[in-house]
Amino acid sequence: QAGLTQPPSVSKGLRQTATLTCTGNTNNVGNQGATWLQQHQGHPPKLVSYRNNNRPSGISERFSASRSGNTASLTITGLQPEDEADYYCTAWDNSLRGWVFGGGTKLTVL
Amino acid sequence: QVQLVESGGGVVRPGGSLRLSCAASGFTFSNYGMHWVRQAPGKGLEWVAFSQYDGRNTFYGDSVKGRFTISRDNSKNTLYLQLNSLRDEDAAVYYCAREDVDFDCWGQGTLVTVSS
Repeated sequence: QAGLTQPPSVSKGLRQTATLTCTGNTNNVGNQGATWLQQHQGHPPKLVSYRNNNRPSGISERFSASRSGNTASLTITGLQPEDEADYYCTAWDNSLRGWVFGGGTKLTVL
Repeated sequence: QVQLVESGGGVVRPGGSLRLSCAASGFTFSNYGMHWVRQAPGKGLEWVAFSQYDGRNTFYGDSVKGRFTISRDNSKNTLYLQLNSLRDEDAAVYYCAREDVDFDCWGQGTLVTVSS
């Protein structure tokens, strides 16, 4: 199943802003937007944003998402040490009739 | 609180079978679609299968289609994944996840090892 494209790694300094990208096509990201998951080492994933810029309760306002065409973005402002994790995007694909995931981005907070 | 607990993982030979379970609590299980998602050691997440709330409609990833079967028993608040014709590349931690607003709750996962 063709996946979404994410950069393997992003590094930013403490209190800086990181923007993670996720590129798909008109059948997935470009159609219904993307959902973002955060995964710390050794733990299950955790939902941080769904259908573009909707935050579940309990997720910091420092996390915001957007979409432009076939590319979704997750922006994290005021980076904290606890933001260091792997981030995955996912979306429903109308053509494949299933969900596709990105390969994940490892965010390092320096 | 919402809780999902997977079980049934273990060591299985290539070509073998296994059935995974996901016990749900803290919410009305029969109202929600449910996913299975897997993660091979050191790798990313891969969507495996989805069951709509009543089990009538199911969807599968291409890599497991025809070999895995998702099912549910709403009277027991339990989701299942039957794994048949297992291959080396099926070795992974298998997570169940609730579909409310997209993968909103996850279990801790159960490990499937495929080894001869």
